[in-house]
Amino acid sequence: QSALTQPASVSGSPGQSITISCTGTSSDVGSYNLVSWYQQHPGKAPKLLIFEVTKRPSGVSHRFSGSKSGNAASLTISGLQAEDEANYYCCSHGGKTTPWVFGGGTKLTV
Amino acid sequence: EVQLLESGGGLVHPGGSLRVSCAASGFTFGDYSMSWFRQAPGKGLEWVSLIDTTGYNDYYSDSVKGRFTISRDNSKNILYVQMNSLRAEDTAVYYCVKGGSSWYYFDYWGQGTLVTVSS
Repeated sequence: QSALTQPASVSGSPGQSITISCTGTSSDVGSYNLVSWYQQHPGKAPKLLIFEVTKRPSGVSHRFSGSKSGNAASLTISGLQAEDEANYYCCSHGGKTTPWVFGGGTKLTV
Repeated sequence: EVQLLESGGGLVHPGGSLRVSCAASGFTFGDYSMSWFRQAPGKGLEWVSLIDTTGYNDYYSDSVKGRFTISRDNSKNILYVQMNSLRAEDTAVYYCVKGGSSWYYFDYWGQGTLVTVSS
């Protein structure tokens, strides 16, 4: 069982927006603005999409955005495109005993 | 261009050992923390271990603590993980991952190397 809870799957049509939730606790997501999001296409390495809750690395589309409220973080993808179909993972700092905790992943179908 | 190339994966018997390496290029290796992650077949991502820039401080998940050892050679730009007392549940693709400007996110991932623990 993963430390962070994500929906197993979400779906949307091209051009629509979707949001993937990532629910933790006051010991991880709620305590630190250190949530990151990763995209992984089947058989490929993960790719960083968002770090420190809202920051986008250079080269990542502005269609990807992150937010946090309390113990839950969210990834929003706007203007869905076929190539967005992938698995998405959230990650948070979890303190000294569990430095990095992940969600179980969400499969996005476009 | 950042490149991380893992090698050394393969089939090993339960209780056996394996050393996986990662050759890094395209960035100043000694300036960044480095990590190993793994992904069991059909499962999600799991952080395994992290080493700081100096190589003197290392951290492990509870699932591998005492069995795995991470190390780095900053003169050769190589990251290692020595895996001992391997178990079937260690079967996974192992990813070499570069830390970001802080310890708390990971900005480049290698393509991974498969480690299979089976008799």
